[in-house]
Amino acid sequence: AQTVTQSQPEMSVQEAETVTLSCTYDTSESDYYLFWYKQPPSRQMILVIRQEAYKQQNATENRFSVNFQKAAKSFSLKISDSQLGDAAMYFCAYKNNNDMRFGAGTRLTVKP
Amino acid sequence: NAGVTQTPKFRILKIGQSMTLQCTQDMNHNYMYWYRQDPGMGLKLIYYSVGAGITDKGEVPNGYNVSRSTTEDFPLRLELAAPSQTSVYFCASIPGQGGRTQYFGPGTRLLVL
Repeated sequence: AQTVTQSQPEMSVQEAETVTLSCTYDTSESDYYLFWYKQPPSRQMILVIRQEAYKQQNATENRFSVNFQKAAKSFSLKISDSQLGDAAMYFCAYKNNNDMRFGAGTRLTVKP
Repeated sequence: NAGVTQTPKFRILKIGQSMTLQCTQDMNHNYMYWYRQDPGMGLKLIYYSVGAGITDKGEVPNGYNVSRSTTEDFPLRLELAAPSQTSVYFCASIPGQGGRTQYFGPGTRLLVL
């Protein structure tokens, strides 16, 4: 079965600094999608960034970028110029057809 | 558009009681999903539907049932509530297959005592 592992239960970053959240996954499929979701205390799930497995180029969305290593099955999220509003739970997710798997999450704290 | 709406926001159930969690989307999306999120964990897929009249099991379907009679609605039924079903339940929808953005509802918090 596909699994998604986030090895960092908690991370902390100083405001304006850069932080990287780790994610690894296990799959035998070659075509799939990877996502990072943000969940603030309101519990709303917010899409941060997504990556198609067939694309070699790493996805970027403003201050958020990923390092996608398909052979290593690794999908890390880099947040640059961290802001107080970035504080939240971050979930890595894998999708192949209708099989959607989430990691256990990383709680990110941003220090002023 | 209201997006994906869920009712109720919060409910307390006694062991053995039944209830239906409602989910409605007004975006004419074909694909709809139900997830549960246990405390300190990520989401797990319970059931999904690819269109009216078509449903299928996800990773954790035991103890739940679903139906999809219309494109808009995808209710989740708990027949005999158990403490293990205490969780936050999220409904989501997407217009089609692939890596499109999932639109999530605000969640329903369920406590079974």
